[in-house]
Amino acid sequence: DQQVKQNSPSLSVQEGRISILNCDYTNSMFDYFLWYKKYPAEGPTFLISISSIKDKNEDGRFTVFLNKSAKHLSLHIVPSQPGDSAVYFCAASSGTYKYIFGTGTRLKVLA
Amino acid sequence: DAMVIQNPRYQVTQFGKPVTLSCSQTLNHNVMYWYQQKSSQAPKLLFHYYDKDFNNEADTPDNFQSRRPNTSFCFLDIRSPGLGDAAMYLCATSRYTDTQYFGPGTRLTVL
Repeated sequence: DQQVKQNSPSLSVQEGRISILNCDYTNSMFDYFLWYKKYPAEGPTFLISISSIKDKNEDGRFTVFLNKSAKHLSLHIVPSQPGDSAVYFCAASSGTYKYIFGTGTRLKVLA
Repeated sequence: DAMVIQNPRYQVTQFGKPVTLSCSQTLNHNVMYWYQQKSSQAPKLLFHYYDKDFNNEADTPDNFQSRRPNTSFCFLDIRSPGLGDAAMYLCATSRYTDTQYFGPGTRLTVL
């Protein structure tokens, strides 16, 4: 049973436009969420996090939104740049050491 | 720069021949993790160390073992690699249950 789902395996966006990556979860005990970016042949790089006591967290071009009632979070990248092309993973935890990862969404930003 | 280092980046072994992957960190984090990631799949937690306490995931095969001789180093031993063990192996660290920071990974090929 996949507790964290990223239903879009890939996404293409024009440079300068907004990229929206989505993540759904099923476990209502999850209270901390992370987004990672991964380039080929590299490990995931931490991007941004959000706690369940918030519904939005912003860091530069990256904003994460959390909708607890829908068990849904999204990552917005504005404006998108070619260097943002990577695989993005969301991960969730219920306050333990174990994070459950989604299968990732491959973002391609077109110049 | 504080970081998580994995060696080697690429490892080729023969079916059944033991292999050891290493991870070191300069972040002084008390928790270290090993993940297995296969193509187009989510990273899968194998086990983690909280300080010296070893925590194995229930579905991690006995073929996988780990050692943490000190705070900075952690090793993943695969006793008898099978073809199905070919994957990217990711080491991560965290301070307690905070954000996990990943190394670049070791790509394991089994011939």
